[in-house]
Amino acid sequence: EVQLVQSGAEVKKPGESLKISCKASGYSFTTYWIGWVRQMPGKGLEWMGIIYPGDSDTRYSPSFQGQVTISADKSISTTYLQWSRLKASDTAMYYCARHIRFGEFDFWGQGTLLTVSS
Amino acid sequence: QSVLTQPPSASGTPGQRVTISCSGSSSNIGRNTVNWYQQLPATAPKLLIYSNNQRPSGVPDRFSGSKSGTSASLAISGLQSEDEADYYCATWDDSLNGLVVFGGGTKLTVL
Repeated sequence: EVQLVQSGAEVKKPGESLKISCKASGYSFTTYWIGWVRQMPGKGLEWMGIIYPGDSDTRYSPSFQGQVTISADKSISTTYLQWSRLKASDTAMYYCARHIRFGEFDFWGQGTLLTVSS
Repeated sequence: QSVLTQPPSASGTPGQRVTISCSGSSSNIGRNTVNWYQQLPATAPKLLIYSNNQRPSGVPDRFSGSKSGTSASLAISGLQSEDEADYYCATWDDSLNGLVVFGGGTKLTVL
């Protein structure tokens, strides 16, 4: 059974750094892209980027390029989403999802809620 | 401002048929297949339709998708109260070295 399990909710202060995770199981981790999607409170889905764990090829949405870093650790079937300096506007739910093709995400993580507040 | 345009809201009564549109351009819907997601309140999105009109296992055949030119549609027949959710279209955009684009979402209310 394919599963994506994300790390738990986080409460951080502006300027702090953070790395959240998404652990995959039930399939060959290195042969599917994994994407990250942001959902701000009361808003729609925004694609942030995708990574191919097999070779760490990564693509970012222009809106998120330079704002976050996506990485993967093949040895533990886990992908990461990282911020170096959080802002209050990063407050959102973040989802990871397995990407098949052309915007088709077939399995999703449960989401990680990030709250950034002073 | 989303690359794909959806109506912000739609509604229908139980048993009715409703459609949700998704409008794009030649660099996205015009060239690539369209997918639809259902997001029930306080849950992660779920793949509802992929490759324009294919249903994943477990999705009722009340849900159907279609695409024509640079637009796509999701149809829900025999509307049920549990269909009340947010619906999003998504596809690949070939501009800027490729990227995933989502519609802004449509909130479906079952009256």
